[in-house]
Amino acid sequence: TQLLEQSPQFLSIQEGENLTVYCNSSSVFSSLQWYRQEPGEGPVLLVTVVTGGEVKKLKRLTFQFGDARKDSSLHITAAQPGDTGLYLCAGLNQAGTALIFGKGTTLSVSS
Amino acid sequence: DAGVIQSPRHEVTEMGQEVTLRCKPISGHDYLFWYRQTMMRGLELLIYFNNNVPIDDSGMPEDRFSAKMPNASFSTLKIQPSEPRDSAVYFCASSSNWPPGEIAFFGQGTRLTVV
Repeated sequence: TQLLEQSPQFLSIQEGENLTVYCNSSSVFSSLQWYRQEPGEGPVLLVTVVTGGEVKKLKRLTFQFGDARKDSSLHITAAQPGDTGLYLCAGLNQAGTALIFGKGTTLSVSS
Repeated sequence: DAGVIQSPRHEVTEMGQEVTLRCKPISGHDYLFWYRQTMMRGLELLIYFNNNVPIDDSGMPEDRFSAKMPNASFSTLKIQPSEPRDSAVYFCASSSNWPPGEIAFFGQGTRLTVV
């Protein structure tokens, strides 16, 4: 069974701090995606990482795909209140037909 | 494009009643997915369609759940009879890429409460 474990489950920080959240699995994924979900809304795609070791940057967000394609991390530099939300990682199921999701990290950034 | 549109946004119903959730995918998207989100289990795939045909319904929890896609612009998820444990946020998503699930646009969800 493919599972994606995310940690930490909750994170509460002050504006300006840096943070890293993790997405781990014992299974190999062809790609992993990161989504952000705000209260009352659906998840919104942030990035897809495909190649082992790949690093992608999206403004203050840095995403890394592990060399073995079993894990990924999201690093946020100088967090802002607008970064508050639920961060979900997702990967294709073994059939390659649909996404399976981790349970997410709930991030709260206070000013 | 207005994105994936779901209705209603909120639904409160009594146990035993029939509930119908609706979804309009993004025009031109060939794949439509229904997900359910709870605190305990996170986002779970229920069923997905390709070109209006159900492809994988292995995530549908039991026979009380059914989904249809009569045309390319409309899908329904029905629960009959509803139970309190069905309370969750139900999301519809659509995609036009291959692999189909890799990039999905989600609706705003329907928050279902069964009392």
